[in-house]
Amino acid sequence: EQQVQQSPASLVLQEAENAELQCSFSIFTNQVQWFYQRPGGRLVSLLYNPSGTKQSGRLTSTTVIKERRSSLHISSSQITDSGTYLCAMLSNYNVLYFGSGTKLTVEP
Amino acid sequence: AQTIHQWPVAEIKAVGSPLSLGCTIKGKSSPNLYWYWQATGGTLQQLFYSITVGQVESVVQLNLSASRPKDDQFILSTEKLLLSHSGFYLCAWREDTQYFGPGTRLLVL
Repeated sequence: EQQVQQSPASLVLQEAENAELQCSFSIFTNQVQWFYQRPGGRLVSLLYNPSGTKQSGRLTSTTVIKERRSSLHISSSQITDSGTYLCAMLSNYNVLYFGSGTKLTVEP
Repeated sequence: AQTIHQWPVAEIKAVGSPLSLGCTIKGKSSPNLYWYWQATGGTLQQLFYSITVGQVESVVQLNLSASRPKDDQFILSTEKLLLSHSGFYLCAWREDTQYFGPGTRLLVL
């Protein structure tokens, strides 16, 4: 059973457009994180957002714990934003569950 | 600043051969350490975690084992590799958020 669902699976944007990525989880969590996975595989932590809205530069994450969902908004996309965005939630048993990711492609 | 290293960077191994992957974290005492695995095109899965030396908890059974011989070291191993062990292995430590190492890419033939 997939604990974390992400949508869309892939997204193609023109440079400067905004992106909205969605994440939903099947069990209760109080820790939601967003990561960026580089083409070589390395993970970069983007935002740790247990609840409410958090912003870092052009990234804004909104988590509604009661509704078991989180979103990541990328404003004014750039070509270098291309890659895979992963949502993850921490269970009560110290297990971090990942979604299957949204592959973002930003074109000139 | 904390740094996390993984070794080797990449391995090509034969089915049935043994494997040992290592992870070291510097600049952090008594970290919580984690191993993750990602099949090519697949979803990241947590394999093990350890909160202290000598103590390891298994999350997913993949015919792998893990050990924590030192405070700053986490080892992933198996005596007999399977084709299904191919993929990308990541080590991480956690405070509020998870911080990942650069990973080891494994190909089993």
